[in-house]
This record gives sequence, structure tokens and C-alpha cells, in this order.
Amino acid sequence: QVQLQESGPGLVKPSETLSLTCTVSGGSISGGFFFWNWVRKSAGKELEWIGRIFASGDTNYNPSLKSRVSISIDTSKNQFSLTLNSVTAADTAIYYCAREAVSAAAYDSWGQGALVTVSS
Amino acid sequence: DIQLTQSPSFLSASVGDRITITCRASQGISSYLAWYQQRPGRAPRLLIYEASTLHSGVPSRFSGSGSGAAFTLTITSLQPEDFATYYCQQVHTYPVTFGPGTRVDV
Repeated sequence: QVQLQESGPGLVKPSETLSLTCTVSGGSISGGFFFWNWVRKSAGKELEWIGRIFASGDTNYNPSLKSRVSISIDTSKNQFSLTLNSVTAADTAIYYCAREAVSAAAYDSWGQGALVTVSS
Repeated sequence: DIQLTQSPSFLSASVGDRITITCRASQGISSYLAWYQQRPGRAPRLLIYEASTLHSGVPSRFSGSGSGAAFTLTITSLQPEDFATYYCQQVHTYPVTFGPGTRVDV
């Protein structure tokens, strides 16, 4: 059974860059059947889709974050990563990575989530 | 962006109850709707996709219905492990959006 695990700093200073990695185990990230997504949940706000990447490197981003976000993939390490630039307190959230089945268009596996706090 | 609303936002129930949660989209999304369960401190868990297809391993007491702009999630005979927050998600139009959640509590 595939498992996803987020990792990265839990504290980021305002105006700096947030970086998180999602490590996938129990399955290959290279297969062409899945998209690999980032989603976040801020306190008092709805779940927000950040973006996704395919094994080929093709990406889609939420327009609300597109100017600040980048998602990359490292198939040799079975990982994909998120960077978010110029963070503010509004970017404080639990960040989840999730696998999306191309055939089902739903997120069938999720990481446990990583809390990232933006504060000086 | 497509907006999703859920009702109720909070639901008080008891073990054995049948409950229904509604999700409405700001425009038609065909059947491109999924439902997730999230327990405190846990990751969301996929329950239903394509509005009515039960995800593998999900108990049959969960069911989904609807198409277009109105959808429902029904849980028959609520179990203790079902007390959680439930979210709908539309995958018809990017950006993907989620509903605000329905908290099911004792």
C-alpha cells in the first residue's frame, strides 16, 4: 500500500521560502497513472489545492498562488517537492501531499500533513 | 473558481443514526465530486469519488448521490469511528476546490 510522508522545516520567517518534500513509499512515482498534489489547510479556512505534478514534470498550479509556487519531482528518489516564495503569516498551514488517480480524479492517498508556521 | 457549500456545517448525532450531508456547487460539475472524511490529527481519507463510487475498503454504510450541482453523502447506522469532519471536493474545473466541511459530533 502506497504511503506518503511530508518533511521540511516547521518554521519559516516572513518573506522567505517554504520548502517541503513528499516521499512516496510502497509504489513508484514514475508510473503514468497518478498526479502528485499539494494541498493545505489553514486554521479557519477551507482546504486549498496548491498544485500538482505528473511524472513527466508537467505541472498545474492554483492561479491564486501561481506567482509564488513551484512543484518539482525527483523520480530517482521517489519524491516530489513544493517551494513557496515570499511567505507571509497567511501561509501558515498544515501542508499535505496527496496522490490523485488519473482514472478517478480523486485523492486516494494522503500524507499525514506537515505544520508550517510563518513567523519571525 | 467553483464554490462549494455544505450543509449543515455541524451535525449532532448518535451511534446508529442515519445522517445526510449536502454539498452544492456554484455551477454544474456533472459527477466530478468526491467526499473525504477527516478525523482530528489525521489525513483526509477518500470515501466516494465520481459522486457515487465507493472507494476501495470503505464500508458500505457510506453512499453518495447526485449530479450537476447538488450532491449528498449518506451514512447509515453511524459508528463511533464515523464522528469526524466530512469534506466535498469538485474536480470538474481547475483549480480544484473543497467545501468548508461538515463536522459530525456526538
